[in-house]
This record gives sequence, C-alpha cells and structure tokens, in this order.
Amino acid sequence: QVQLQESGPGLVKPSQTLSLTCTVSGGSISSGGYYWSWIRQPAGKGLEWIARIYTSGTTYYNPSLRSRATISLDTSRNQFSLTLSFVTAADTAVYYCARDAMGPWGQGTLVIVSS
Amino acid sequence: DIEMTQSPSSLSASVGDRVTITCRASQSISNYLIWYQQKSGEAPKVLIYATSSLQSGVPPRFSGSGSGTDFTLTISTLQPEDFATYYCQQSYGTPFTFGPGTKVDIK
Repeated sequence: QVQLQESGPGLVKPSQTLSLTCTVSGGSISSGGYYWSWIRQPAGKGLEWIARIYTSGTTYYNPSLRSRATISLDTSRNQFSLTLSFVTAADTAVYYCARDAMGPWGQGTLVIVSS
Repeated sequence: DIEMTQSPSSLSASVGDRVTITCRASQSISNYLIWYQQKSGEAPKVLIYATSSLQSGVPPRFSGSGSGTDFTLTISTLQPEDFATYYCQQSYGTPFTFGPGTKVDIK
C-alpha cells in the first residue's frame, strides 16, 4: 500500500525559499505511470493545486504562483520535492503531497511564513 | 482556469438521511471529476474518481454521477462518520481546480 509523507521546515522567513520533500513508500515512484502533485490549504480555507510531475519528469504548474514554484523528482530516493521562492505570509498553509487521481495523499505539513 | 462551484455550501442532516451534493464546472470536463472527503485536522481522502468510480475501501453508500459540467455526490444513508467537508476537483486540465467545499454537519 502506497503511503506519502511530507517533510520540511515548519517556519520560513519572508522572501526566502520554502523547500518540501515527499517520501513515497510501499511502491516505486517511477513505476505505474503516475503523476505526483503538491496541493496546499491555508487554515480554514479551500484547496489550491500547486504543481504536478510525471514519472518522465514532465512538469505542470499553477500560473497563479507566477513561476515561483519548482517541482522535481528523485527516483533514487523515491521522493519528489517542491520549492517555492520569495515566500510571503500568503504562502502560509498546510502543504500536501499526493498521487494524482486516486490518491493517496500525505498527512500534510504546516508551513508558516513569518519573520 | 476552470471554475468549480458546489452547492450547497453547507447542510445539516441526520444519521440515515440521503444527502446529495452538486458540483458544477465552468466548462465541460468530460468525466474528469474527483470527490474528496476531509475531516477536521486530516488530509483529504479520495472517495470517487472519474466521476463514478468508487475508490478502494470506500463504502458503497457513496456514489457519484454526471458528465460534462454537472456532477453529483450522493450519500445514500448518512452515517456518523460521514460528517465532514466534501470537495470536488476537476482533473481535465491544468491548473487543476477544486470546488469551495460542502460542509455536512449534524442536524
């Protein structure tokens, strides 16, 4: 059974870069032809899709993030990652990693942007 | 971007009730529609994908239907563990977008 787990710093200073990693267990990230995504949810609000990556490395981004986001794949570690540059308080949210369509999702990690 | 709307935004229901939640897309998304359940403090959980395919392990009281722009999630007999917020999401084209959610609470 595939499981996902997010990791990364819980506090990031404004204007700095947020870096998160999703570790996939119970299956290979490079098999099965899946897409892998990052989604975020500010406290008490709805869900915002950030980016996705295919096992080939093809990437897709939400234009609303104005090219600040980068998603990448590390098949040797069975992980995929997200970096978000020039963060502001508006980037404070729970960040989830997920396998597209059928899931699963990770449990989420809270990132607070504050000085 | 494809805009997703849901109705109602919230509803109160009793255990045993039949509950229907509607999701509408601003353009046709074929059958590329996913339904999630999110309980407080937890990650969203996929209930239904491709409009009507029940995710493994999800009780059959959950069902989905629709196509094009109009979709429905039905809970045939509401159980205590079903009180949660439900979201729809289109996976037809990026950027993927979510509905604003429907909160189901206890009457």
